[in-house]
Amino acid sequence: DSGVTQTPKHLITATGQRVTLRCSPRSGDLSVYWYQQSLDQGLQFLIQYYNGEERAKGNILERFSAQQFPDLHSELNLSSLELGDSALYFCASSPGGANYGYTFGSGTRLTVV
Amino acid sequence: QQQVKQSPQSLIVQKGGISIINCAYENTAFDYFPWYQQFPGKGPALLIAIRPDVSEKKEGRFTISFNKSAKQFSLHIMDSQPGDSATYFCAAMTNFGNEKLTFGTGTRLTIIP
Repeated sequence: DSGVTQTPKHLITATGQRVTLRCSPRSGDLSVYWYQQSLDQGLQFLIQYYNGEERAKGNILERFSAQQFPDLHSELNLSSLELGDSALYFCASSPGGANYGYTFGSGTRLTVV
Repeated sequence: QQQVKQSPQSLIVQKGGISIINCAYENTAFDYFPWYQQFPGKGPALLIAIRPDVSEKKEGRFTISFNKSAKQFSLHIMDSQPGDSATYFCAAMTNFGNEKLTFGTGTRLTIIP
C-alpha cells in the first residue's frame, strides 16, 4: 500500500455521462497530481494542486476539472465522456516544495462504452 | 522541448543479464530524473532518481548513468531477475513553481529464465 488511496478502482459508464474520481493523498503530503495513462499516450500530466490551490495545468481537457479540498483529498471530474476518455487515471502525492518524493496510487480504470 | 524520449519500447533479457533502458531529453531546465517501475494493475513506483550534479547513482542492482552534455540518462539493472519484469518509465522534472513530471513512453521489460 503506497499510502495514496484512489476510489473507485474500476468505473464503467456510458458516453455523455459524468464521473468523479477521488484521491486521498499520503499523510502529510500537500501536493496532489493527476495523470492519465492510455496505451497510445503513456502517462500524461493533467493537473496539480498544492494545499488547495491549483498550481500547474497540463493537457487537461475543458470537459475535465479538479479540486483539492481543505482535508487535502482531491477529486477529478470528467464530464461529457467520450470513448477516447477510457484510460487509467492516477493520482500521486508529494510533500511539495523542494522535496521531489512522488507517490502514486493504484489508479482508477475508466471504461466508457 | 518538454519531451522525454525513451528506448527501447520493449526488452527481453535473460535471467542474470544486464537490462539497459535509455532516455534523452531536450529541456536543459530539467533538474531531477527519476525512474519508475510499474507492475500490471498497479501505479508507478519510484525506483531510483538522480540529479544532474552527479554522473552515476547506484542502489542495489539498479544504477542510473547520467550524461549532462549529451542530455541522456539510462537505467541499468544488473543480474536481472524474473521479478524485475515490469514496465519502466523514465521521467524528468523542473522546479519552476511546480513539480510536474514529464514521462517517457515506457519500456516493457521481460526477464526470461
